[in-house]
Amino acid sequence: GAVVSQHPSWVICKSGTSVKIECRSLDFQATTMFWYRQFPKQSLMLMATSNEGSKATYEQGVEKDKFLINHASLTLSTLTVTSAHPEDSSFYICSARVPLLAGVYNEQFFGPGTRLTVL
Amino acid sequence: GIQVEQSPPDLILQEGANSTLRCNFSDSVNNLQWFHQNPWGQLINLFYIPSGTKQNGRLSATTVATERYSLLYISSSQTTDSGVYFCAVVLSNFGNEKLTFGTGTRLTIIP
Repeated sequence: GAVVSQHPSWVICKSGTSVKIECRSLDFQATTMFWYRQFPKQSLMLMATSNEGSKATYEQGVEKDKFLINHASLTLSTLTVTSAHPEDSSFYICSARVPLLAGVYNEQFFGPGTRLTVL
Repeated sequence: GIQVEQSPPDLILQEGANSTLRCNFSDSVNNLQWFHQNPWGQLINLFYIPSGTKQNGRLSATTVATERYSLLYISSSQTTDSGVYFCAVVLSNFGNEKLTFGTGTRLTIIP
């Protein structure tokens, strides 16, 4: 299957600082990537859809000025948590979709996740 | 929005036992995926199964889209099968690629 990497795997930061998380598709080009957040013992919630070369689409309730997404190339999307606070502590997971073929939905493959702790 | 419910929420089994996990969804879907989230948080793709039945070793899955459910079967459970199993669906709107995740089933296999 397709391989997606994330960096860093965990980060601890002080309240008020910004944190950048990278998501890379290693063996395919991804025009679309997705960012999810998962709180302990809960399911994954989609935060935003990241499209290469255009603005991200955010889900309802997700602050776009707080969670900045940049998809500058076909293999890299970044999520920056600006002015992080303890309530932003969570497990952030990205996914990449194998390129769309003739309008048929293709599988999403997930990165290993980044555990963010804000003190 | 679409509701995706999984049952049971928790399951504890002895090694070697078989299990069936269920995923019910409230609206028509284009596609469905099953994942295993291991204890380190990594989501592992198990099946991409919009309809029909697929098998991969000790695991198999069946989706009946017209009745809005999917089943994941695990046979001869091993301790490495422990973790959380999620189903996730894509709504039947062309161009909609968003996965909506189910509530999850936490499986614990006891040696």
